Amino acid sequence: GAGVSQSPSNKVTEKGKDVELRCDPISGHTALYWYRQSLGQGLEFLIYFQGNSAPDKSGLPSDRFSAERTGGSVSTLTIQRTQQEDSAVYLCASRGLPHEGPHNEQFFGPGTRLTVL
Amino acid sequence: QKEVEQNSGPLSVPEGAIASLNCTYSDRVSQSFFWYRQYSGKSPELIMSIYSNGDKEDGRFTAQLNKASQYVSLLIRDSQPSDSATYLCAVNQGGKLIFGQGTELSVKP
Repeated sequence: GAGVSQSPSNKVTEKGKDVELRCDPISGHTALYWYRQSLGQGLEFLIYFQGNSAPDKSGLPSDRFSAERTGGSVSTLTIQRTQQEDSAVYLCASRGLPHEGPHNEQFFGPGTRLTVL
Repeated sequence: QKEVEQNSGPLSVPEGAIASLNCTYSDRVSQSFFWYRQYSGKSPELIMSIYSNGDKEDGRFTAQLNKASQYVSLLIRDSQPSDSATYLCAVNQGGKLIFGQGTELSVKP
């Protein structure tokens, strides 16, 4: 596709339920990132996948959060036992190989707005 | 001290003026820096990247980097009402981006 796509665009769930958010990166991009943007907060890094390397999970706020990337393309962010403080916009970004352009230019998808009631 | 700091604004400038947005960062080893524009309700859009000390110009936008002072800025010349948005400064740290809180810019017709 032409850009990063994410689904669903909006998700309303009840406290305690699990949710899955999906990201399709730009075709051919090897690196994929998840960020979170809460009201009044800046963009917060969550997790980063680069090729076949082990992901950088240093930004995940708790063990309720996990992510996987299958086949080096699509990624799913899973939040278990959601809490109200998980309400935020979850943004996915992708990046091509460094030799394909200036390194670490990341391009964002439209985001998934998660509301936990 | 926050890793990436920006004035939250709002910064208000008249149409046609120069808007100046500033950002400081704490990690001296950072090598790449980015400016994103975010319209209300939308996701961030990359508008400038800069890696070397000095100025980088792209149309009405100029990014300035001073690594010694750990300072990045974005100048928008001939500001237009359509430039009204939040501008996010981001610094590459170990492959991930660390963002400032953003500066809200309002360009008045």
